[in-house]
Amino acid sequence: AQKVTQAQTEISVVEKEDVTLDCVYETRDTTYYLFWYKQPPSGELVFLIRRNSFDEQNEISGRYSWNFQKSTSSFNFTITASQVVDSAVYFCALRNSWGKLQFGAGTQVVVTP
Amino acid sequence: SAVISQKPSRDICQRGTSLTIQCQVDSQVTMMFWYRQQPGQSLTLIATANQGSEATYESGFVIDKFPISRPNLTFSTLTVSNMSPEDSSIYLCSVDLGPGASEAFFGQGTRLTVV
Repeated sequence: AQKVTQAQTEISVVEKEDVTLDCVYETRDTTYYLFWYKQPPSGELVFLIRRNSFDEQNEISGRYSWNFQKSTSSFNFTITASQVVDSAVYFCALRNSWGKLQFGAGTQVVVTP
Repeated sequence: SAVISQKPSRDICQRGTSLTIQCQVDSQVTMMFWYRQQPGQSLTLIATANQGSEATYESGFVIDKFPISRPNLTFSTLTVSNMSPEDSSIYLCSVDLGPGASEAFFGQGTRLTVV
């Protein structure tokens, strides 16, 4: 069975601070895909990033960066220089070979001016 | 990529009634999924909508409560039957274009309130 754990329920920061969201996953699949989605108060899901299990290269995309470590089954996500518009719930998700997504519980990020 | 239109965007329904949610995709897709997000909770997969056969339900979800249709490769419906206040949730349709796709695509969601 697959499992995704987001231990942080809520993170509050002041604008311009960095925010790192933790995600730990469990899977028996040898090939899998990890995602981060953002859900603002309006409710829609906004795709942020995806990482394949066979590619551990960490990257930066604008203010977003991620740290994928297969050895520790972690897929952490960082927002640099946070802005008020970053306030949302962030979900880590694990895609299995059938296309099903297992979501973590989500982390509420609150950015105050 | 895929663009998903989901209707209605929101509804308020009386307990005991049923609501059918529609999901239209702008291209043919093999895999369509229905998720539920209860208030303040994460997303949980209800079922996989299979074209030409019955949907495959996850543990805790049954066809009598959540009947699903998939008449073709671009369309699916989810019905929430005999609703109770516990069914108040956001229901989301999703498509997966395969491992090579950059993301799983979601509809805008249907925000259902049962009174």
